[in-house]
Amino acid sequence: AQSVAQPEDQVNVAEGNPLTVKCTYSVSGNPYLFWYVQYPNRGLQFLLKYITGDNLVKGSYGFEAEFNKSQTSFHLKKPSALVSDSALYFCAVRDLTGNQFYFGTGTSLTVIP
Amino acid sequence: DAGVTQSPTHLIKTRGQQVTLRCSPKSGHDTVSWYQQALGQGPQFIFQYYEEEERQRGNFPDRFSGHQFPNYSSELNVNALLLGDSALYLCASSFGGGQRNTEAFFGQGTRLTVV
Repeated sequence: AQSVAQPEDQVNVAEGNPLTVKCTYSVSGNPYLFWYVQYPNRGLQFLLKYITGDNLVKGSYGFEAEFNKSQTSFHLKKPSALVSDSALYFCAVRDLTGNQFYFGTGTSLTVIP
Repeated sequence: DAGVTQSPTHLIKTRGQQVTLRCSPKSGHDTVSWYQQALGQGPQFIFQYYEEEERQRGNFPDRFSGHQFPNYSSELNVNALLLGDSALYLCASSFGGGQRNTEAFFGQGTRLTVV
């Protein structure tokens, strides 16, 4: 069965510093991995995805993610954090049928001015 | 180009009642999936509709049912509401589904409170 894990419930980072939000995955077959962001009382906004190809994936709002097959990780990164990046971040993996996404429990990111 | 729209945004119901939530997919999309997001949790897959049929279902009881209309919009119905059904219900739209489903766009959600 497909699953993802987000080991950190909360991440705090100073504005202007690089940020990393961690995600590890467990899949059968090739992984289709995603990152979404959720602002308070809002739905999920798509940030980026890894389907195949380059291990470094670039997405919206300056975010990128690094796919590491040997470590089964797909960490979200940004070189310089903004206060407006403060939100809840979800890692997700698509199931083998392609019909369903499995989400992690989320990581709350706080960027401190 | 309208994205995924859901209605209503908020809803309060009493235990035992029935509720209907609505979703219009993004233009050009033909597949609708529903997710339940309990407080402090990640979204959980309820089911997916494609070509007006339920194609896949998650681990939810039969009290949760749905429908897809010819214009691809969808409804989620929950019968005999329980307090534990209180959650944010998210609709996601995509094109084609199956192996062609490489991206899903989510609506803003419906916050259901059962009292």
